[in-house]
Amino acid sequence: QKEVEQNSGPLSVPEGAIASLNCTYSDRVSQSFFWYRQYSGKSPELIMSIYSNGDKEDGRFTAQLNKASQYVSLLIRDSQPSDSATYLCAVNAGNNRKLIWGLGTSLAVNP
Amino acid sequence: DTEVTQTPKHLVMGMTNKKSLKCEQHMGHRAMYWYKQKAKKPPELMFVYSYEKLSINESVPSRFSPECPNSSLLNLHLHALQPEDSALYLCASSQDRGEGNYGYTFGSGTRLTVV
Repeated sequence: QKEVEQNSGPLSVPEGAIASLNCTYSDRVSQSFFWYRQYSGKSPELIMSIYSNGDKEDGRFTAQLNKASQYVSLLIRDSQPSDSATYLCAVNAGNNRKLIWGLGTSLAVNP
Repeated sequence: DTEVTQTPKHLVMGMTNKKSLKCEQHMGHRAMYWYKQKAKKPPELMFVYSYEKLSINESVPSRFSPECPNSSLLNLHLHALQPEDSALYLCASSQDRGEGNYGYTFGSGTRLTVV
């Protein structure tokens, strides 16, 4: 059974701090990794994709991938209250069109 | 145009009704998806279309019937639904070049309530 695991949270950080979200996956052949942000009552929004080991930065967001350890993380620098949402980790399942989803981590950024 | 448009945004239907959900994208994506999402759960894949052909059906009950009339449109026909089918129904699209998964763009969803 292919699995993606995330801490459900809630993760609470003060405004301006770094929020660190983690995700582990079980399928070693996974090649594509994604972070989606979902506000309550809204649809998921793709915020980061990563395919190679190492770091990928986009604005305040950094995705980190370590295939040997089978984990992917998302760092949010200078966290803002508007970052408060559920963050979903998704991993491709070998079939290029199908993703395996984690249960999501709820993030609360406190002013 | 970088949007996936879903209509209607909200739908209330009785268990004997027939209704359809519609999805449209103009990003040139050749893979389109229907997902179902319950509160506080991740999205659950229902169907995948690739180049207008159904490529994945996740053992979805026949009361849900997908249709892809062309590369930009995706419909989900609903008939004889149950109250437990109430959920947020999400359409998504992605590039599909055979190698690599480029991530989905989701529509805003249809909030379906079955009464």
